[in-house]
Amino acid sequence: GQNIDQPTEMTATEGAIVQINCTYQTSGFNGLFWYQQHAGEAPTFLSYNVLDGLEEKGRFSSFLSRSKGYSYLLLKELQMKDSASYLCAVMDSNYQLIWGAGTKLIIKP
Amino acid sequence: KAGVTQTPRYLIKTRGQQVTLSCSPISGHRSVSWYQQTPGQGLQFLFEYFSETQRNKGNFPGRFSGRQFSNSRSEMNVSTLELGDSALYLCASRDSREIQETQYFGPGTRLLVL
Repeated sequence: GQNIDQPTEMTATEGAIVQINCTYQTSGFNGLFWYQQHAGEAPTFLSYNVLDGLEEKGRFSSFLSRSKGYSYLLLKELQMKDSASYLCAVMDSNYQLIWGAGTKLIIKP
Repeated sequence: KAGVTQTPRYLIKTRGQQVTLSCSPISGHRSVSWYQQTPGQGLQFLFEYFSETQRNKGNFPGRFSGRQFSNSRSEMNVSTLELGDSALYLCASRDSREIQETQYFGPGTRLLVL
């Protein structure tokens, strides 16, 4: 079956760096997405990786290793507003998105 | 461009009733997907419509159905509601011409079944 694993919850300190991991096993691979979802709101797009390597976008970076079925989202210079759930999703061979359960990130002052 | 809109935003129903949710995609987007989100379960894919045709379907019972109109607006129907259907229902649209197929989500409809 298809599976996306990510930690349920993580805690970090304002101004620090945090890495949220995602491992996947899917039928085919057409890219990996990271979304951010604040409580009570809709998910918003953060990043897309389809080739191995690191994609940097401001304070957020996303890494992909297709051979290891592994990705991470790196958040630098954490701010209180970064407190949210971070969702990892993989597009399979049928162009269907398979979603992880999300990682709730708690930022402490 | 206006974002994805969903109506209603909140809904309370009782077991056995049926419900219809509506989604209007971003202008020009022809693909609309529906998801169910419950605490701890993540997003569960219901179905995707493209140009009025169901293109993909998740593992949900036949009580869950949908359709898409010629203007790309989509509706989702749940019949014979059960307590376990209480969830946030999210609709997402995408421009299938984009290589990375980014999905843009609406604010969701929060359904409570009593």
